[in-house]
Amino acid sequence: GAVVSQHPSWVICKSGTSVKIECRSLDFQATTMFWYRQFPKQSLMLMATSNEGSKATYEQGVEKDKFLINHASLTLSTLTVTSAHPEDSSFYICSARGLAQKSSYNEQFFGPGTRLTVL
Amino acid sequence: GEDVEQSLFLSVREGDSSVINCTYTDSSSTYLYWYKQEPGAGLQLLTYIFSNMDMKQDQRLTVLLNKKDKHLSLRIADTQTGDSAIYFCAEIKVGTGANNLFFGTGTRLTVIP
Repeated sequence: GAVVSQHPSWVICKSGTSVKIECRSLDFQATTMFWYRQFPKQSLMLMATSNEGSKATYEQGVEKDKFLINHASLTLSTLTVTSAHPEDSSFYICSARGLAQKSSYNEQFFGPGTRLTVL
Repeated sequence: GEDVEQSLFLSVREGDSSVINCTYTDSSSTYLYWYKQEPGAGLQLLTYIFSNMDMKQDQRLTVLLNKKDKHLSLRIADTQTGDSAIYFCAEIKVGTGANNLFFGTGTRLTVIP
């Protein structure tokens, strides 16, 4: 099956620094990638959708200047949390969908998540 | 309502059946999904059902769909300790561009040995 990886799996950083999280589709080309945020004991909240080669579409309430998303290739999307603060601490999960998945049941393949802790 | 709703917790004894319920919002949703999330991990697609189906069975999993009531359920037969996880139902809302998934609040299933 399709595999999506994330790196790093966890990161601790100081307040005010920027953190980059990578999401890779390992065995398929991801035309669309999604970034989610999950708070403890809560559901996944969609942050943004990115299509390869174009600007990301952000959900209402998500600051695009704070959460920079780049989808430069068909296998890689990055999320950069700029000037991170403790309230940005969360579990960030990406998912990816390729051309094959688009024509089937619209399955998204999820990465294992990245736990960000901002001190 | 605007949200996909689920009960937050469910406890069952090993070997019993588990039933996890979900109420979704968009009667036009084409696909409905059940995902499993183990501690500290991402989401794993368990099963899905197309909106023109009432039931789908896949080994120990049975999905029931009641479109009239916008109610979805997941039954796990012979529940095992390895089934302990958070289960999310999700729908695709028509007209949301990239067919984005909208998730329920998740049900934490605890299997008691």
